Amino acid sequence: DSGVTQTPKHLITATGQRVTLRCSPRSGDLSVYWYQQSLDQGLQFLIQYYNGEERAKGNILERFSAQQFPDLHSELNLSSLELGDSALYFCASSVAPAGGPDEQYFGPGTRLTVT
Amino acid sequence: QQQVKQSPQSLIVQKGGISIINCAYENTAFDYFPWYQQFPGKGPALLIAIRPDVSEKKEGRFTISFNKSAKQFSLHIMDSQPGDSATYFCAASNEGGSQGNLIFGKGTKLSVKP
Repeated sequence: DSGVTQTPKHLITATGQRVTLRCSPRSGDLSVYWYQQSLDQGLQFLIQYYNGEERAKGNILERFSAQQFPDLHSELNLSSLELGDSALYFCASSVAPAGGPDEQYFGPGTRLTVT
Repeated sequence: QQQVKQSPQSLIVQKGGISIINCAYENTAFDYFPWYQQFPGKGPALLIAIRPDVSEKKEGRFTISFNKSAKQFSLHIMDSQPGDSATYFCAASNEGGSQGNLIFGKGTKLSVKP
């Protein structure tokens, strides 16, 4: 158990809908990363937050957004969902923003199925 | 574009054998190279990591070998066991830069036959 929690575990929704994925980092970790895992694209970085502020952006679609709250939990919002958004979404957490030891620990993931 | 290339895509090894997975990277600014192990239905779990100031790091049956000049690194699993059957991902990041996000290889599915 990495100490990172994600809810829900599974999510099934229809095209055009909007969903919210939730992540709680390990105790003491200030950075939260979101990754998408699909069969064709592999594991891809979406976005990073550090202590409530956006720190880095990767291949995140404009339909997707995220935020980190004062209690350090993070939410990933996916809107106008398309079939191609079906994937596993992982949250990872670490202590440092960058520039230091940055071991990232992954949560169990949320499996999103868009029908 | 920053890339990490991983091979082979799949690997079958007999119990007790050595499993070797290779990765190559392009960005010389990368300074942190972890390996992750992922079982079906689970999140990636950090296995072992290396930084470029050393050429080898060993933890139990797992060893990372790092060749800075060739921009390659590899994972060796000694005395491979059926319980090691999983997908392994190499990754790289630039900890010293402004972004610490990981760039992952495509993964290697390892099957250890009893």
